[in-house]
Amino acid sequence: DIQMTQSPSSLSASVGDRVTITCRASQDISNELAWFQQKPGKAPQSLIYAASILQSGVPSKFSGSGSGTEFTLTITSLQPEDFATYYCQQYKSYPLTFGGGTKVVS
Amino acid sequence: QVQLVESGGGVVQPGRSLRLSCAASGSTISSYAMHWVRQAPGKGLEWVAVIYYDGSKKEYVDSVKGRFTISRDNSKNTVFLQMDSLRAEDTAVYYCARFNYYDSTGSKIGLDIWGQGTTVTVSS
Repeated sequence: DIQMTQSPSSLSASVGDRVTITCRASQDISNELAWFQQKPGKAPQSLIYAASILQSGVPSKFSGSGSGTEFTLTITSLQPEDFATYYCQQYKSYPLTFGGGTKVVS
Repeated sequence: QVQLVESGGGVVQPGRSLRLSCAASGSTISSYAMHWVRQAPGKGLEWVAVIYYDGSKKEYVDSVKGRFTISRDNSKNTVFLQMDSLRAEDTAVYYCARFNYYDSTGSKIGLDIWGQGTTVTVSS
């Protein structure tokens, strides 16, 4: 199984900050990586697929980069609605696996 | 735009069974692989199972193999998760999600549409 390791597990930020979250895969997954945002009591929402492509309707303040085993999610100019938990997920092979999540708090 | 609605969750005793449903509306899901993902209380996301668009292939996470069965009825635009021999550690919110294959660049889009989830509690 491919292990996905996210860091940090939580981070404190302020409105207007630039935030970066890292995700590492235990083996090469090419660009088959997605990022999700989840708010309390809600279903995850897809932000980015193929490591760097924004899902339709997702604002451009979100960006993703990386390939192989190292990936990053960057949020520029953090807004109140961006405080949430973020997950990476590989879909290179089964079982699909998620990172442990990064909780962004104020 | 397709919407997914899960149902069938509830409180069940260990060792018993439950059948979850995921009904799609607004568009057909017959061309898509469909997944179940769960989230235990206060924990992260865990992938559970997938069924390919035509039902020809199914995959499961090791912890549910032999106990859970995923199926679909494309004529009803619905996916199911039969959960047998339930354990306390199966307690979670269960989400169904659509896997979208390729965009115009040839990139796999992944799990793009999710339902709101249904809660399963396994407790005596």
